[in-house]
Amino acid sequence: QVHLQQWGAGLLKPSETLSLTCAVYGGSLSAHRWSWVRQLPGKGLEWIGEIIDSGITFYNPSLKSRVTIGVDPSKMQFSLELTALTAADAGIYYCARVYSAALDCWGQGTLVNVSS
Amino acid sequence: SSGLTQDPAVSVALGQTVRITCQGDTLRTYFANWYRQKAGQAPILLIYGKDKRPSGIPDRVSGSASGYTASLTITGAQAEDEGDYYCNSRDSSGTRMFGGGTKLTVL
Repeated sequence: QVHLQQWGAGLLKPSETLSLTCAVYGGSLSAHRWSWVRQLPGKGLEWIGEIIDSGITFYNPSLKSRVTIGVDPSKMQFSLELTALTAADAGIYYCARVYSAALDCWGQGTLVNVSS
Repeated sequence: SSGLTQDPAVSVALGQTVRITCQGDTLRTYFANWYRQKAGQAPILLIYGKDKRPSGIPDRVSGSASGYTASLTITGAQAEDEGDYYCNSRDSSGTRMFGGGTKLTVL
């Protein structure tokens, strides 16, 4: 049973960079894509991007200029960096596994606040 | 439109059947997946590949599709079915997208 555990700083200032890490337990990084999704206050889900264990990435065009997703197979972890934060980026950020084009396993979520 | 459209809210009487729909041009080509999210929790996958259920999802939850519309049907609605339901798919460039969500109330 795959389990995702995520962590990272949740209180940031405008213009700072969000850095989150997601660890994969009970499964393999290979043969899957690994995704980041966010949920802005009172709104729905927004796909940020994803990565394959080889390092190939896919990003939401609306966020692409500010997003970097990385992977460390030796640690069974993948990561998210989002630069130039504004208040509009505040919300809950989730990591998730892609299985058969769906997101079948999710991390617990990280609440991100952006405030000066 | 390149997005996915869902009704904001739907209600169903306890024990009755409810259908939640998702519309979008991309659904003519790509399957929809469905998720349920309860307050303060991460979403869980209910249906993938149009009509497949992950293990642990009861068979009273089903998915279907026709043309530009994907549907999630819950038969014999229970109080535990309350929550926000999201559809998700992708476009031709590989960008994943979600519908705006449907809040289901069980009366």
